[in-house]
Amino acid sequence: QSVLTQPPSAFGTPGQRVTISCSGSSSNTGTNYINWYQHLPGTAPKLLIYRNNQRPSGVPDRFSGSKSGTSASLAISGLRSEDEADYYCATWDASLRGVFGGGTKLTVL
Amino acid sequence: EELLLESGGGLVQPGGSLRLSCAVSGFTFSSYAMNWVRQAPGKGLDWVSVISGGSSYRDYADSVKGRFTISRDNSKNTLYLEMDSLRAEDTAVYYCAKDQSRSATVTGIMDVWGQGTTVTVSS
Repeated sequence: QSVLTQPPSAFGTPGQRVTISCSGSSSNTGTNYINWYQHLPGTAPKLLIYRNNQRPSGVPDRFSGSKSGTSASLAISGLRSEDEADYYCATWDASLRGVFGGGTKLTVL
Repeated sequence: EELLLESGGGLVQPGGSLRLSCAVSGFTFSSYAMNWVRQAPGKGLDWVSVISGGSSYRDYADSVKGRFTISRDNSKNTLYLEMDSLRAEDTAVYYCAKDQSRSATVTGIMDVWGQGTTVTVSS
């Protein structure tokens, strides 16, 4: 069981806005940056958001991240069928080093 | 284009050993920390190990500490993971991933990933 808790599943319809939460504690999400990854099975995971709300070049602005206290969120607006994937929050700290959330499977209905 | 290509996966018996490789191209390999991350069947991503650009810093997840060794050859642009005393629970797809920052500090922001190589530990 990860120290970062995500809902196992999320659902949305094309065009809709969906959010995926990631909750931790004061010792991880409360003090460290949160990064988000998109993973389609059988492919390389992709960095979507880093340092809570920064988008790498090439990531559409439909994807956004935020953090407040010990919780973080990934928002996807204008949902598309190709957004159907697994999404992971992650952090890095001196004691735990690399930590991933359990992942959220997003289904586009 | 920054590319990572893993190899070396396969079927190995419990207690056996395996060495994974990750060949990189498209960036100055020696300037970046590198990670190994795995995904067991039906499970999520699981961080395994990290090594700094100059190999001075290495760290491991508790689940593999003492059994796995990370290393790199900057002259060959290649990252390695030596896995010993393998267990059934090490069965996973293993990914190598580049750290985003050129500084000596590991950020944990993994901005380039390989396609993965599959390790199966079974008798």
